[in-house]
Amino acid sequence: DIQMTQSPPSLSASVGDSVTIACRASQTINTYLNWYQQRPGRAPKLLIYAASTLPSGVPSRFSGSRSGTHFTLTINGLQPEDFATYYCLQSYDPPYTFGLGTKVEIK
Amino acid sequence: EVQMVESGGGLVRPGGSLRLSCAASGFTVRSDHMNWVRQAPGKGLHWVALIHSGGNTYYANSVRGRFTISRDSSKNTVSLQMNSLVPDDTGIYYCARDSSGFGIDSWGQGTLVTVSS
Repeated sequence: DIQMTQSPPSLSASVGDSVTIACRASQTINTYLNWYQQRPGRAPKLLIYAASTLPSGVPSRFSGSRSGTHFTLTINGLQPEDFATYYCLQSYDPPYTFGLGTKVEIK
Repeated sequence: EVQMVESGGGLVRPGGSLRLSCAASGFTVRSDHMNWVRQAPGKGLHWVALIHSGGNTYYANSVRGRFTISRDSSKNTVSLQMNSLVPDDTGIYYCARDSSGFGIDSWGQGTLVTVSS
C-alpha cells in the first residue's frame, strides 16, 4: 500500500503569513494527489486536485506543486478563515490513503 | 446542485452490524466513483471503500472482509454494509464522490457510528 507522509503535524502562523505543507508518497503516484481543508465540525472541502489544479471557487492564495513524489500546498497570505486542518489524499492506487493532517493555528 | 445525504448511523454493540446509506442528487452514482471515508473522534481522515463507475470495489485493509460497498442505480444510492463491528470502527462516515477520476471532489455531511458495549 502507498503511504503518505504529511508534515508538519501542526504549525502556528499569523494572518498574512505564507505557509507550506508537504506530503511525500512512498512510491510514484503521478499527479493523483488532492488537498482538502477541514474546519471543526464540518466535512472536508476540496482545495487542490491533480496536484496543482484549483477547483472553481477556491481562492488563488492556495496553490499546489509536485516534484516527483513530493507534493506541497502553499497558502500565500493567510486569512482568518484558513485556520483549519489540511489533508492530502493519494488516489493513484487503492487502497487510497490520506496524510495524517496538518493543523494550522493562529499564532 | 450536487448533494449527498448519509443515513443509518447509530450505536451498535461490538460484533454487530449496521448499514449506511448515501442518497445522491444532482448526479447519478453509476456514472461516478463513490467512496466512504471515516473519521474517528478527534482524529484524521481514513479512506474506507470505493465503488468504481465500472462496478469494481476496493477496501481498506482494516475493513476488507467485513464491509461491503454497493450501489442501487434505481434509487441513486450507495450503501455500506458493515459487519463484525469493532470499537475502532467508531467515527463519522462520509459519503464522497469522485467525478473526474482524480480523487474525491465532494462530500456529504456524514453520519455518526458508535461501536460500544
